[in-house]
Amino acid sequence: SQQGEEDPQALSIQEGENATMNCSYKTSINNLQWYRQNSGRGLVHLILIRSNEREKHSGRLRVTLDTSKKSSSLLITASRAADTASYFCATGQNYGGATNKLIFGTGTLLAVQP
Amino acid sequence: KAGVTQTPRYLIKTRGQQVTLSCSPISGHRSVSWYQQTPGQGLQFLFEYFSETQRNKGNFPGRFSGRQFSNSRSEMNVSTLELGDSALYLCASSAEPLAGGRETQYFGPGTRLLVL
Repeated sequence: SQQGEEDPQALSIQEGENATMNCSYKTSINNLQWYRQNSGRGLVHLILIRSNEREKHSGRLRVTLDTSKKSSSLLITASRAADTASYFCATGQNYGGATNKLIFGTGTLLAVQP
Repeated sequence: KAGVTQTPRYLIKTRGQQVTLSCSPISGHRSVSWYQQTPGQGLQFLFEYFSETQRNKGNFPGRFSGRQFSNSRSEMNVSTLELGDSALYLCASSAEPLAGGRETQYFGPGTRLLVL
C-alpha cells in the first residue's frame, strides 16, 4: 500500500499541553500537507510544507519535514478542547504530470480533555 | 465564497442498487477529486477531474465512475453496490492541478453511504 503511517494512532492530553503527532511516508514527495477532520466530517486544510522546507509555522501549529527519513511531525501547542479531532498527513507525489492526487496517512485521533 | 457542497449528505441503499453522488466545487475552481474513507482502508483516492477530463484514477473497480460537467460540478456513480462500499465519500476542489499536488484542496462535508 502507498498509504503513509501516523503515530500515535490515538493521543489523549489535557488542555494547555502540547500534542505531537508523526507521519511517515514511503516515496519521494514534492510536498506534505496536514489536514484535520472533526468527527467523520470533511477535511480542513491546516498547513502545507514543501520538500525543500524543513520547518513551517502557522499560529499554534508547527510542522517539520525530514525528507531523508521520509517523516514529518505536527506540533500543536497550548491545545484546546476544540482541537479534538483526527489529524491526517497527505503527500503529493510527482507523477510526471499535473495532478492533485494525495496519499493520506492513517491518521491520529487527538482527544483534548478540558 | 461558498465552500464545497456535496449532496446528498446521507444515503441508504441496498446491495445491487446504484447510487449517484454530486459535488459542487468552490466557485472558480475547475479541479475536483473524490476520495473514499472507510475505517479499514482509510482515505483512498478515487479519481480526479479537470476541465471535464479525468486526469487520474485510483485503484478501484470499474463499478466506480465519475464525470465532470462544463460548470465544474462533478458526479460519481457506483453501480451494483456491495456492502463494502459503505463509506464516507469526500469531494475536494482546487483551482487547478499542479505537478506534485502542490495545490491546496478544499474538502466538502462528504456523503455518508450505507449499503444494507
